[in-house]
Amino acid sequence: ETGVTQSPTHLIKTRGQQVTLRCSSQSGHNTVSWYQQALGQGPQFIFQYYREEENGRGNFPPRFSGLQFPNYSSELNVNALELDDSALYLCASSFRSGATLATDTQYFGPGTRLTVL
Amino acid sequence: AQKVTQAQTEISVVEKEDVTLDCVYETRDTTYYLFWYKQPPSGELVFLIRRNSFDEQNEISGRYSWNFQKSTSSFNFTITASQVVDSAVYFCALSDVNQAGTALIFGKGTTLSVSS
Repeated sequence: ETGVTQSPTHLIKTRGQQVTLRCSSQSGHNTVSWYQQALGQGPQFIFQYYREEENGRGNFPPRFSGLQFPNYSSELNVNALELDDSALYLCASSFRSGATLATDTQYFGPGTRLTVL
Repeated sequence: AQKVTQAQTEISVVEKEDVTLDCVYETRDTTYYLFWYKQPPSGELVFLIRRNSFDEQNEISGRYSWNFQKSTSSFNFTITASQVVDSAVYFCALSDVNQAGTALIFGKGTTLSVSS
């Protein structure tokens, strides 16, 4: 069974630039969630994708956007980077069966460390 | 509002000591789930346990045990006979199930340092 993978591992950008982070979900999973973890804090929910559509969003501005592909992999895009966007970005995958909103366990990838200068 | 509080920021113990990590939550939901995750220095969050709000039985898995008490809105985690490999940041999390999806709400974490 393949776990959640993320790329790249580390990334350095400058203010105002745009960045794309990638995530491959665990085998058999169809839902992907993204979290931002600032240094010394717990992860904060950005959004979730299910059936290639955004399916719930946390308190993040529209410059944070995403995609989910037919193979359930996902991208997180951040436009107009700000210094406060420096963080560890975690992707988690889970399996959701139909319309049930049961809370399936989310399994996390190793994260992408983004530094904005 | 949904909230998770982990009041212990850092805990230091010596190997073989028992240690309990506290977690207190707030939720308006009648059905909810609670989780514990471990984050070693590598950064990846490792799933430890999921518990739903209807199951208040305590659970034991090897050296790990969990005490869920709805009356006090607590879901505490105990490591028995701690080992150096237990050193990590531990997060308690609460499900936030809305009509659109499911988010996890995390506490700020407790850093556990186990010395030999």
